Amino acid sequence: DAGVIQSPRHEVTEMGQEVTLRCKLISGHNSLFWYRQTMMRGLELLIYFNNNVPIDDSGMPEDRFSAKMPNASFSTLKIQPSEPRDSAVYFCASSWTMQETQYFGPGTRLLVL
Amino acid sequence: QQQVKQSPQSLIVQKGGISIINCAYENTAFDYFPWYQQFPGKGPALLIAIRPDVSEKKEGRFTISFNKSAKQFSLHIMDSQPGDSATYFCVAGGTSYGKLTFGQGTILTVHP
Repeated sequence: DAGVIQSPRHEVTEMGQEVTLRCKLISGHNSLFWYRQTMMRGLELLIYFNNNVPIDDSGMPEDRFSAKMPNASFSTLKIQPSEPRDSAVYFCASSWTMQETQYFGPGTRLLVL
Repeated sequence: QQQVKQSPQSLIVQKGGISIINCAYENTAFDYFPWYQQFPGKGPALLIAIRPDVSEKKEGRFTISFNKSAKQFSLHIMDSQPGDSATYFCVAGGTSYGKLTFGQGTILTVHP
């Protein structure tokens, strides 16, 4: 079975540009989590969904960040406009339920110049 | 509010030694305590997990010890190997809590 799929794997962009990160959940999973990882701040939970509904977005740093689940198997995280401080590795993870084991994707390494 | 505190931030161990990572939590609603392992360039992955109805769980060289009254749990890696070099996260969650809460991570380096 395929695991969580993320694209792109690497993204280099210039400050002010829009960035869209994509995530495909494991088939049958109902919960989706977006994380950001940096050396300074560690692994931060940005937002999570259950059955396509956003449950908690309190970790989203500011209004420049938005996340959607247009269907049960796919999610996007958008940054508009991007800033150099957004540079990080972004992971999505999916699970059967919110409380159970999370399966992480390989991550998207974002560099904003 | 950080609800799971992990220590140490980094750990260096010689091959064959014992690696110990400690965690403390605050929320008594937590009833699920997994450890995740992350290798460089990869996402975290579940390593081993425990529920509070037992005080210890062992899987191969990896053991979780759990102290419910102290609200602490720890990971012991016996006979540590260079291949164990990774970042380890203690995590807490619960059926009534809604999500998993990750600790800050411990970077483990095992020297040959």
